[in-house]
Amino acid sequence: NAGVTQTPKFQVLKTGQSMTLQCAQDMNHEYMSWYRQDPGMGLRLIHYSVGAGITDQGEVPNGYNVSRSTTEDFPLRLLSAAPSQTSVYFCASSPDRAGANVLTFGAGSRLTVL
Amino acid sequence: ILNVEQSPQSLHVQEGDSTNFTCSFPSSNFYALHWYRWETAKSPEALFVMTLNGDEKKKGRISATLNTKEGYSYLYIKGSQPEDSATYLCAFLGAGNNRKLIWGLGTSLAVNP
Repeated sequence: NAGVTQTPKFQVLKTGQSMTLQCAQDMNHEYMSWYRQDPGMGLRLIHYSVGAGITDQGEVPNGYNVSRSTTEDFPLRLLSAAPSQTSVYFCASSPDRAGANVLTFGAGSRLTVL
Repeated sequence: ILNVEQSPQSLHVQEGDSTNFTCSFPSSNFYALHWYRWETAKSPEALFVMTLNGDEKKKGRISATLNTKEGYSYLYIKGSQPEDSATYLCAFLGAGNNRKLIWGLGTSLAVNP
């Protein structure tokens, strides 16, 4: 049982480049989400999904796109990377779309934008 | 603006000490409170989700209580061990259609052997 798998673990980009952070879960969870974690700040929600075909914005969605074509996968796209997007990104999933179950987190992806 | 506050920000204890820290959250429109343990260079790991006023949950030496009327939860660690060193996060989930967790900044615990 792999849980939540995120790739890549580390990435360095130049300003303006695009990339996709991959997230996959094998637990048949309905709810999936992307967070970023920055020093001195709490986890901030970027985008989330309550099921295949359904996505919504979180607290800090600007500069990021998501899609949910299958239950398993929830990729996060940076269309034109900016230094302000340097952060550690976590994907997290939960069986409960209502949010009363705990989240299972991926191992994180450290992104540096030069 | 909904706020979740955790105190203290950091804590240093000796091995064997018992310790506790606080998570404060809005006392209205409560749905659930989550606790997570986050070790350096790893990802957050779930400890508890609590939904009822007066709830008490236990996992080994770690336990938590919940008071939704006054808007606080305590996390207790009995007989701290060096492997308990981590940041402990709480997150509040309000009732209603906008089901988004609001996270505290965490309490960083260091247990000295």
